[in-house]
Amino acid sequence: DIQMTQSPSTLSASVGDRVTITCRASQSIGSWLAWYQQKPGKAPKLLIYKASSLESGVPSRFSGSGSGTEFSLTISSLQPDDSATYYCQQYNTYSRTFGQGTKVEIK
Amino acid sequence: EAQLVESAGGLVQPGGSLRLSCAASGFTFSSYSMSWVRQAPGEGLEWVSYISSSGSAIYYADSVKGRFTISRDNAKNSLYLQMNSLRAEDTAVYYCAKTTGSYYGYFQNWGQGTLVTVSS
Repeated sequence: DIQMTQSPSTLSASVGDRVTITCRASQSIGSWLAWYQQKPGKAPKLLIYKASSLESGVPSRFSGSGSGTEFSLTISSLQPDDSATYYCQQYNTYSRTFGQGTKVEIK
Repeated sequence: EAQLVESAGGLVQPGGSLRLSCAASGFTFSSYSMSWVRQAPGEGLEWVSYISSSGSAIYYADSVKGRFTISRDNAKNSLYLQMNSLRAEDTAVYYCAKTTGSYYGYFQNWGQGTLVTVSS
């Protein structure tokens, strides 16, 4: 299976900060990467697909980049509602795998 | 808008069985692949199984292969997961997810999840 490694595991930032989460794949996955946001007790929500395509209805402060093995999710101006855990997920193989998650906290 | 509603989970003894259902609405169910994804308490997300729109392609995670069976009924807009030989490590919230996009697909819409607890 392709291993997905996210960093950091937790980050704390202030409202208005620019925040970047990194996701690294154990082998090349092209651009077949998605990002999800999950709040406590809720189902995950799709934010980004194909590494950089913004899902309809998702605020434009979210953006994704990368290809191959290195990817990132950036929140351009952190908002209180962005407090959540974020997961990357590869879909280059039938055995889709997720990163371990990055918890974003608001200072 | 796509809506996915899982059936109630519950408490099952180790070695027991349980069948989950997922009722879909708001989209043409027969045109989309579907998946099950689970999340153990306090843990991350784990893909469990995938079924193509027609049911002709099915995949399982190694952790459930041979024990779980995914199926669908396009006439009833429903997805199923038959879980047999349940183990304590199968305890999790199970989500059904509409799967779309190129290649093996990502999870565009999710149900609210249902908790399955395997314990004696």
